[in-house]
Amino acid sequence: SQQGEEDPQALSIQEGENATMNCSYKTSINNLQWYRQNSGRGLVHLILIRSNEREKHSGRLRVTLDTSKKSSSLLITASRAADTASYFCATDAGVQGAQKLVFGQGTRLTINP
Amino acid sequence: DVKVTQSSRYLVKRTGEKVFLECVQDMDHENMFWYRQDPGLGLRLIYFSYDVKMKEKGDIPEGYSVSREKKERFSLILESASTNQTSMYLCASSLRLGGQAFFGQGTRLTVV
Repeated sequence: SQQGEEDPQALSIQEGENATMNCSYKTSINNLQWYRQNSGRGLVHLILIRSNEREKHSGRLRVTLDTSKKSSSLLITASRAADTASYFCATDAGVQGAQKLVFGQGTRLTINP
Repeated sequence: DVKVTQSSRYLVKRTGEKVFLECVQDMDHENMFWYRQDPGLGLRLIYFSYDVKMKEKGDIPEGYSVSREKKERFSLILESASTNQTSMYLCASSLRLGGQAFFGQGTRLTVV
């Protein structure tokens, strides 16, 4: 079951520009998370936003959550070549006893120097 | 530094072999997970465990089994490997179900 769907599937921008990725989901959630994956490696947690939060910041990352639209966005400001990676959103099922993380297919971000 | 360690980065096995993928975490987490990752399909949950000796099927459990005899170790077993099980396998652990997950480095399994 695919809960989160990222958009776009791939994004290529110049270093220094901002990158925005979107995630849509289908069911109610307790929280939504964003992860990063460098090529051929495991995923690394970036940020978690709870369902009662609308915006959260961490360094150059800004995440928004709109539960009425069942969508979230991840903004990376002042991008760097090292930000090149795949980015995944993950949602929990939101039902007690059945909470597990469900991941989207990811957005592949390429930062061109 | 918290750590989830998978026993192999790369593995090549023959069709029909019994394959064990091992995962160890040092964070005393209750919950552990096995995902497989394929191009265009994202991460799909195979099995998860919320306590020692407890397991729950994920979205794609067919052809797999798991074992959790100790809290820190969660094993994924391919009873009879097939070529369609060629994939990247990712282990993760979390303190709470639905909470932040910590991932291992992944095992790229090729079945020939």
